[in-house]
Amino acid sequence: DAGVTQSPTHLIKTRGQQVTLRCSPKSGHDTVSWYQQALGQGPQFIFQYYEEEERQRGNFPDRFSGHQFPNYSSELNVNALLLGDSALYLCASSLEGTGGFEVWETQYFGPGTRLLVL
Amino acid sequence: LAKTTQPISMDSYEGQEVNITCSHNNIATNDYITWYQQFPSQGPRFIIQGYKTKVTNEVASLFIPADRKSSTLSLPRVSLSDTAVYYCLVGTGGFKTIFGAGTRLFVKA
Repeated sequence: DAGVTQSPTHLIKTRGQQVTLRCSPKSGHDTVSWYQQALGQGPQFIFQYYEEEERQRGNFPDRFSGHQFPNYSSELNVNALLLGDSALYLCASSLEGTGGFEVWETQYFGPGTRLLVL
Repeated sequence: LAKTTQPISMDSYEGQEVNITCSHNNIATNDYITWYQQFPSQGPRFIIQGYKTKVTNEVASLFIPADRKSSTLSLPRVSLSDTAVYYCLVGTGGFKTIFGAGTRLFVKA
């Protein structure tokens, strides 16, 4: 059973550039969430994709955008990179719940992509 | 949004039981309590989840009192490989679930 995979594992960019990170969800999962984790801090929610649409968004600027494909894989795009965008970017997948009271979709995280902006 | 408070760090020795308590005073009725473990440069790994009373799996136990304003993750007989950051999350998933700074557990030989 393949878990969540992310590519690339590491990436170095310069300020102002654009970057695309990729994620393949765990087999059977249809929902993908992206997180940013700065050094020494907990992951911060960026957004979540379900049925190829952004469903929820955290407190991140429009420079952060994403896409989900029909096979449920997802991309995270960051434009006009800033030094402060240097972080570990995590992808998490889950299976959409019924939305009912007793359902909380457990998220499974990938290993992350380490982005360094110089 | 329910906010959680955990100790910043804890030390333990191999073979000991470790209890990490998390406070979540404004937990909502629909919120679940979930704990994740994270090793350096890896994604968080799901440990355990519960709504009330006690939950146990092969890795840990989760104790939740009746008022649900706190929870305790119990790790039996820790080993050096349990050295990691442990996050307590409260919510229903997505942006409503907030990761705090976590508890850094250091297990010594």
